[in-house]
Order: sequence, then structure tokens, then C-alpha cells
Amino acid sequence: DTGVSQDPRHKITKRGQNVTFRCDPISEHNRLYWYRQTLGQGPEFLTYFQNEAQLEKSRLLSDRFSAERPKGSFSTLEIQRTEQGDSAMYLCASSRTAKGTKNIQYFGAGTRLSVL
Amino acid sequence: AQTVTQSQPEMSVQEAETVTLSCTYDTSESDYYLFWYKQPPSRQMILVIRQEAYKQQNATENRFSVNFQKAAKSFSLKISDSQLGDAAMYFCAYRSVQYGGATNKLIFGTGTLLAVQP
Repeated sequence: DTGVSQDPRHKITKRGQNVTFRCDPISEHNRLYWYRQTLGQGPEFLTYFQNEAQLEKSRLLSDRFSAERPKGSFSTLEIQRTEQGDSAMYLCASSRTAKGTKNIQYFGAGTRLSVL
Repeated sequence: AQTVTQSQPEMSVQEAETVTLSCTYDTSESDYYLFWYKQPPSRQMILVIRQEAYKQQNATENRFSVNFQKAAKSFSLKISDSQLGDAAMYFCAYRSVQYGGATNKLIFGTGTLLAVQP
């Protein structure tokens, strides 16, 4: 159990550029979640996957955002045509829904995005 | 929609003393989970304690315990014998129980920044 891994830890980009973040969940965790956390706020849910299926998307996830989990393992979150309002910490979490696991969400350290 | 409110943006406690962080929530559901997560500076968020709403007994984990008042929709965290390593942002969170289509997401409060004074 190496924990949830996110890459990169920090990303600085210019407005209008596209960025992609990667999340590697804890092995054997079938659920993967993305949250966004802005300064002074708690994390806000963006989307989640069960295996490779994207089961829920928040209204926060505009058309410029897309998330994938192609083989039910790692996931990517892409933001197209970034805006300054996209500056935030993007958190990934994973959980396992097997009986007795309590479906606890374990978080990665996050990717901090700064849009200039 | 469910909401979580943490009314204490910052708290301070002396080392070895006890501190209580407040959390209230709003929901029309009868069954759900409540959590306290700890987020140290520049580090990942970790689960401190979990409470199932159908259980009347308050959860405890070593120095951490909760006071769960379901009727009042209150879920406070008590940290006993505070240590320097307890300094962090603490988030209260809510999750629906998964019954056929219920969302799996966590709903967080805005957090309480806890400082521990030596």
C-alpha cells in the first residue's frame, strides 16, 4: 500500500493553455474521486469513477474539464483553455468497496495549479 | 442538498490540553456517515475518525473522540492531550449511505485551522 499518488505536485501555466494531471490510486481500489480545493475552502467534489465507469459529475465540472480512467487503474484530469479561476489544489482520492472495508476515501497530496 | 458548517476558522490549544472543534450539518436523510479529516500543511489529508449515523455510540480513536448529537445535527471533535503534531487544518465531512444510486461523494465544511502552542 503505497498510498494515492498525484503528479505533478505543482503546475504553473498561462491562461488558455491545456493541463493534465495524473492520479494513481491505491492498488485494488475500485473507486477514484477528484475534488477541487480553493484557498480557505474545503474540498469540493468534481467526479468519481467505479472501475473505468464515470458514475457522477458535479456541475463544477464544466465542458473544459474532462476526466478519464481508461483501464480502471490510474486516472487523468484535463483542463482545456485554463482560466485564472481554475487556480486551485486538485485532490484525488480512492476507496475500495469490498465488504468490511468501510469504503474509506484515502487522499493524495494533490496537484496545485496556478494559472497566470 | 446536504451542507456542512464549521463555524470556527481558527482554534488554538496548549500542548497537553484538550480542544473541541465544532461541526454542524444539514440533511433530510436518516442514515449517513460523518468524518473528521486532518490536513497538515502541504501534506495529504488523512482520516481521523468516522461515525455512522445509525450508531448512537460516539466513535473514539485513541486521543480523538466525537460528540455526535443526531437530533441537533452536531458532530464535534475532541482532541485530548494535544500534541504539536496535531497542528493542522481539520475538515468535517458528510457522506450519504449508498442505497441504490445515492451519491458517493464527500461534502466538506470550510475547515478549522488548529494551532498547538508549546
